Amino acid sequence: DVKVTQSSRYLVKRTGEKVFLECVQDMDHENMFWYRQDPGLGLRLIYFSYDVKMKEKGDIPEGYSVSREKKERFSLILESASTNQTSMYLCASSLLGTATYEQYFGPGTRLTVT
Amino acid sequence: GEDVEQSLFLSVREGDSSVINCTYTDSSSTYLYWYKQEPGAGLQLLTYIFSNMDMKQDQRLTVLLNKKDKHLSLRIADTQTGDSAIYFCAETPNTGGFKTIFGAGTRLFVKA
Repeated sequence: DVKVTQSSRYLVKRTGEKVFLECVQDMDHENMFWYRQDPGLGLRLIYFSYDVKMKEKGDIPEGYSVSREKKERFSLILESASTNQTSMYLCASSLLGTATYEQYFGPGTRLTVT
Repeated sequence: GEDVEQSLFLSVREGDSSVINCTYTDSSSTYLYWYKQEPGAGLQLLTYIFSNMDMKQDQRLTVLLNKKDKHLSLRIADTQTGDSAIYFCAETPNTGGFKTIFGAGTRLFVKA
């Protein structure tokens, strides 16, 4: 079974703080993704990575950066957290070359910025 | 552009059928998906359909694809309270890469 874990289920941070969200997958997947989920907007892609040290911007990268130093770990960084970044953050991974591009999701981190 | 649209809420009685509808814009998509998100959890792939199929059945689930209208539906027969969740329609456009486009999600309420 593929397992995607995220470092925290709930996080509360103050405006201006630097925030790190960690994601680890245990199935040797090449592709990893960070989404944010907001009511009525669904999932919006922030960044994705298809290999170690490789990253591509998604649809809403502003205010975020990512790091992929090891294949199994993909980190999302909020350089200076703002209240409009309060959201549910979901990490996912998928296997390169699979026909169906199925993504496996972590349980999410609910971030509140006050 | 790429877009996936679905209604936000659906309420049914236990034992009835649920039908969740979705429209997508990219006709190049090879696969279309339904993901399920239970409370407090991440998304999990429920089923998918290949673009050259019209219908796929898997136990209580039936997926219908109308490529001409770019319309996808998920029917859940004999809906149970355990089916209460958010259902996301998604597509992977065949434009290169593996980016998946998700709809906003339909929250299904099942009344006992």
